[in-house]
Amino acid sequence: NAGVTQTPKFRILKIGQSMTLQCTQDMNHNYMYWYRQDPGMGLKLIYYSVGAGITDKGEVPNGYNVSRSTTEDFPLRLELAAPSQTSVYFCASIPGLAGYTDTQYFGPGTRLTVL
Amino acid sequence: EDQVTQSPEALRLQEGESSSLNCSYTVSGLRGLFWYRQDPGKGPEFLFTLYSAGEEKEKERLKATLTKKESFLHITAPKPEDSATYLCAVQAVGGGATNKLIFGTGTLLAVQP
Repeated sequence: NAGVTQTPKFRILKIGQSMTLQCTQDMNHNYMYWYRQDPGMGLKLIYYSVGAGITDKGEVPNGYNVSRSTTEDFPLRLELAAPSQTSVYFCASIPGLAGYTDTQYFGPGTRLTVL
Repeated sequence: EDQVTQSPEALRLQEGESSSLNCSYTVSGLRGLFWYRQDPGKGPEFLFTLYSAGEEKEKERLKATLTKKESFLHITAPKPEDSATYLCAVQAVGGGATNKLIFGTGTLLAVQP
């Protein structure tokens, strides 16, 4: 198993550009998450999904959109990039068994700079 | 409001000098407390999950403990390869079935040879 993979690893965007951060997991996990990590701020939840076709907002969803058409993929879309979206983005997943506290396993991250 | 605070922000140790990292938390009800290790340029790597006060878990030179208000990550005789940022996160009972995590800001540990 490759686990959780993310592409690209690095990206520089101009203000107003759009892009999609890709996240794929090969563990047949139901739950997937997108976080952003800023220096000194800890990881903040952007969006999450409890299964294909089901997504919901996290703590900091503004400026982002997600979709979940398959169990494996959970892309994060930035429509109009702003400097405030400069951050490191992490995708995570868990099996999501009801009543069980699962450990979240993280991808390697995407470092995004908006200039 | 659910909150996680880690201290110190940064810690520099000599190789072999044991110490502890602190994670204090405020949640309506704790489902689980997680410790992660994060190396520069990489994603968080899972270390431990603790579920109830009094619980302890060990892995090599690391030992995690839990009370009703805080958790400690004890590092015994650290080596330079233990240098990393250590993240603490909690999962609250009120989080429902989403398993959402609330993270602290981390402790940056540097172990000098």
